[in-house]
Amino acid sequence: QQQVKQSPQSLIVQKGGISIINCAYENTAFDYFPWYQQFPGKGPALLIAIRPDVSEKKEGRFTISFNKSAKQFSLHIMDSQPGDSATYFCAAVNSGGGADGLTFGKGTHLIIQP
Amino acid sequence: EAGVAQSPRYKIIEKRQSVAFWCNPISGHATLYWYQQILGQGPKLLIQFQNNGVVDDSQLPKDRFSAERLKGVDSTLKIQPAKLEDSAVYLCASTLTESLNTEAFFGQGTRLTVV
Repeated sequence: QQQVKQSPQSLIVQKGGISIINCAYENTAFDYFPWYQQFPGKGPALLIAIRPDVSEKKEGRFTISFNKSAKQFSLHIMDSQPGDSATYFCAAVNSGGGADGLTFGKGTHLIIQP
Repeated sequence: EAGVAQSPRYKIIEKRQSVAFWCNPISGHATLYWYQQILGQGPKLLIQFQNNGVVDDSQLPKDRFSAERLKGVDSTLKIQPAKLEDSAVYLCASTLTESLNTEAFFGQGTRLTVV
């Protein structure tokens, strides 16, 4: 069972445009939702994260929107740049411990065209 | 601050052989994860340790995979015998506290090719 569903699988955006990646989850025990960025040959690195007590979090050009009732969250990259080209993973975790550790979506391969 | 160290970076083995991967997390990090990342997919959790205890190994193929974290510091992941479908990048990650809503730091991974 895929606990975190991510779309689209791949995305091409023109430089300066807005990149949008969507995720949905089923497990209501999840209470922390990070996004990770991965470049080829590297491990994933934390980009931005949100807890469900807020509906939006912004850090620079990156914004997470969170809809608790719909169990959905999304990443928006404003003014997308070629350096943003990477694979992005949404994830979810139950911070209370036990099972439901850091669970990833399948990833979105983002290409920003100059 | 040193990052998560993994070795080796690359490994090529024949099917039915055994292989071991090593991970040294960031000093003081209580939680350690092993993930399997097949090409083009998201990391799949294999096992989660908190200190030297196993929290979750429900997705670890225990007939061939084993992992340990002696003394709650570094960890090894072993595959014996390997199958072709084990070809993947094996990622180790750690978090500072036992609370899981903190940043997980990943190593660069070990790329395993089984031929």
